[in-house]
Amino acid sequence: SQKIEQNSEALNIQEGKTATLTCNYTNYSPAYLQWYRQDPGRGPVFLLLIRENEKEKRKERLKVTFDTTLKQSLFHITASQPADSATYLCALRNNAGNMLTFGGGTRLMVKP
Amino acid sequence: EAQVTQNPRYLITVTGKKLTVTCSQNMNHEYMSWYRQDPGLGLRQIYYSMNVEVTDKGDVPEGYKVSRKEKRNFPLILESPSPNQTSLYFCASSLQELSTDTQYFGPGTRLTVL
Repeated sequence: SQKIEQNSEALNIQEGKTATLTCNYTNYSPAYLQWYRQDPGRGPVFLLLIRENEKEKRKERLKVTFDTTLKQSLFHITASQPADSATYLCALRNNAGNMLTFGGGTRLMVKP
Repeated sequence: EAQVTQNPRYLITVTGKKLTVTCSQNMNHEYMSWYRQDPGLGLRQIYYSMNVEVTDKGDVPEGYKVSRKEKRNFPLILESPSPNQTSLYFCASSLQELSTDTQYFGPGTRLTVL
């Protein structure tokens, strides 16, 4: 069966460190993968998209990698700040189909 | 301001009483969709629409209806709500059929069915 897995346990890190979040998938052939940020009680906000033929994408303090062999994407926030505390969702679109499927999200807590 | 709006934001209702959650976007987006979010299950797509008069089922369409008569509006209809439809609902839109476009999400509607 198809699965998108993110660590359901919260990730706690110290301010200034790099946060690394993982998104693993099985039985998908993703055309691309997206990362979203969600704050409590709010809708997800798009952060980054990486295509299947791209290895890495950066945007300011954010970096996403995509390994289609390992079937994994890593999401990094460098020099993390307490304001980065939120739930981060990965989502992927299969090559076949018109839907975007989301992982369960990982909650990140950055302590000052 | 470019945005997706949903109404109502909060709704408590009883089993069997038909309700509609409205969704509207002002960005001239072609693609719109509805999701529900439940603890431990993440965001699951209910229905989506690639353009006016074109709708299709997502992962969890049972018990829901949608319509897309105009580009900007995509209402979600629960003809006979049941307690298992208690959830947080999000509407989203993007410029075209996903492609590489950003999906913009509404603020959410928290529905409780008693």
